[in-house]
Amino acid sequence: EVQLVESGGGLVQPGGSLRLSCAASGFTLSSYDMSWVRQAPGKGLEWVSYISGSTGATWYADAVKGRFTISRDSAKNSLYLQMNSLRDEDTAVFYCARGYFSVWGQGTTVTVSS
Amino acid sequence: DVVLTQSPLFLPVTLGQPASISCRSSQGLVYSDGKTHLNWFHQRPGQSPRHLISEVSNRDSGVPDRISGSGSGTDFTLKISRVEAEDVGVYYCMQGSHWPWTFGQGTKVEIK
Repeated sequence: EVQLVESGGGLVQPGGSLRLSCAASGFTLSSYDMSWVRQAPGKGLEWVSYISGSTGATWYADAVKGRFTISRDSAKNSLYLQMNSLRDEDTAVFYCARGYFSVWGQGTTVTVSS
Repeated sequence: DVVLTQSPLFLPVTLGQPASISCRSSQGLVYSDGKTHLNWFHQRPGQSPRHLISEVSNRDSGVPDRISGSGSGTDFTLKISRVEAEDVGVYYCMQGSHWPWTFGQGTKVEIK
């Protein structure tokens, strides 16, 4: 069964860091484009970052550029989002998604608060 | 950045009746590959989003044919021919033609 499971969310103070993980099963993650999408409490969806399956090229939303880094580990069949210099407005549920969003994880919650 | 404007933002519907959601883009969405990367998603309360439609009108596997997408240029529409109870939730359009990718604000569909 094709599945994505996010982890790594939690409570962090402003200015802090977190690393989110997205473990894939049922397929080879590095063969697919992958994205992170977030959703602030009671708000809509916001695309965050993308990594190309073929080239490894990465793209970021302006709101996170320079603070977040997307990466993957083929050996662990996992996707990551390193988040630094976190701000209150980064509080959200973070989802990983495969390809052109055909498969989504259940999300992991990040809360940035002092 | 490309701004996607959905309307209406709230759509009360009657079971069995049609529903339509508009998504207008601030610029054309034809990508260099000649395709228009306009997608639609559905999110039920407490659930992860589900991808419904890619490239304006291509339904994902398992999406009922009463749900359809259309449009071109900067104007796109999602239509539900006969609303069922499972259709409640929030619908989002999303463009993947220009970086950064962007979503519309969402349209909340509820049963009257």
